[in-house]
Amino acid sequence: ETGVTQSPTHLIKTRGQQVTLRCSSQSGHNTVSWYQQALGQGPQFIFQYYREEENGRGNFPPRFSGLQFPNYSSELNVNALELDDSALYLCASSQRTGYNEQFFGPGTRLTVL
Amino acid sequence: GQQVMQIPQYQHVQEGEDFTTYCNSSTTLSNIQWYKQRPGGHPVFLIQLVKSGEVKKQKRLTFQFGEAKKNSSLHITATQTTDVGTYFCAGLNTNAGKSTFGDGTTLTVKP
Repeated sequence: ETGVTQSPTHLIKTRGQQVTLRCSSQSGHNTVSWYQQALGQGPQFIFQYYREEENGRGNFPPRFSGLQFPNYSSELNVNALELDDSALYLCASSQRTGYNEQFFGPGTRLTVL
Repeated sequence: GQQVMQIPQYQHVQEGEDFTTYCNSSTTLSNIQWYKQRPGGHPVFLIQLVKSGEVKKQKRLTFQFGEAKKNSSLHITATQTTDVGTYFCAGLNTNAGKSTFGDGTTLTVKP
């Protein structure tokens, strides 16, 4: 196990609602990246946080937002949920940006009805 | 934007056969990482390649990074049933500040 935890494990929401997903990074890691993984596809980069600041963003609309806290844990918020937001949301922590392996959490399975 | 493509999408082999997956990027990469995801699991880091032309080995797995740092491959010799899963490459462009994953190659191994 990586030491990266995510909550909740599963979540069911309806279209238009808002959701907050949480991630606790591995001890000693100051960087957290969030990914969306649809069935049968690779993880798609949402954004990365390094020392509480956003440090890179993928092609996701502004209704996807995030936070990183002083203890380096992180939240992913998604507003105005759409059916296509149904996916596995993964967070990954690393010691710093760039040239370090990423340790993934088990993910949160979000279903939007 | 940066695109990373992997082929093949699926590979079915008999136990003991070799397996290779290829990864191609539309742009030059700073580094490339390989991950393995078992069914129902999360990606697990295998290796990182940084230098042009780099070759690394982990037991039966051989990883290569192309000279132009735009392509990479993973080769497994004499597959075992424990090798089943989806293998992803992830290319990093430090200028863009993000990792781009391919869609993976799913390996099944018949005992």
